[in-house]
Amino acid sequence: KAGVTQTPRYLIKTRGQQVTLSCSPISGHRSVSWYQQTPGQGLQFLFEYFSETQRNKGNFPGRFSGRQFSNSRSEMNVSTLELGDSALYLCASSLDSGPNTEAFFGQGTRLTVV
Amino acid sequence: GQNIDQPTEMTATEGAIVQINCTYQTSGFNGLFWYQQHAGEAPTFLSYNVLDGLEEKGRFSSFLSRSKGYSYLLLKELQMKDSASYLCAVRDGNNRLAFGKGNQVVVIP
Repeated sequence: KAGVTQTPRYLIKTRGQQVTLSCSPISGHRSVSWYQQTPGQGLQFLFEYFSETQRNKGNFPGRFSGRQFSNSRSEMNVSTLELGDSALYLCASSLDSGPNTEAFFGQGTRLTVV
Repeated sequence: GQNIDQPTEMTATEGAIVQINCTYQTSGFNGLFWYQQHAGEAPTFLSYNVLDGLEEKGRFSSFLSRSKGYSYLLLKELQMKDSASYLCAVRDGNNRLAFGKGNQVVVIP
């Protein structure tokens, strides 16, 4: 069974640009969550999608957005990039969004903004 | 808001036992997870607690006290491959998974 796949693995962008990251969940999983990981702040929750609907949202500015498609694949978009957006972006998929549902993480996309 | 605290780093000797603590304050509680993350890799699931008490899984055990907002992960018979960051995560009342900053464990020979 294939794991969670994130593309691209590495990305370098300049300030002001926008970026789109992709996440393909484990087959059959309907919940996809996105996290930003930085050395200073750890893993911070961005948003969660379940069956194409945003179920939860973290405390990030509106420049961060996402969507989920009917095949459960998800994308997140960051517009008007800032230097502080440099981070590892992790996607996690779950079978559903119940309390005891284990989240499986992808390898992440490392974004560097210069 | 959510607040999940973990010590930042600890060093232990191969073969020893190490306890990694986690305290939390969240809006609601729907369970606590422990994840292991090696440098440059994705976090991987270790354990889940939702009721008070100890859950044992091989060399790893996890304890939860909901009244104290406290959990620990116990690693026994430490091996070099256990050098990693250990992340405590709480699923809050809205089912969001909030993570601590992680505890970096360094295992030395």
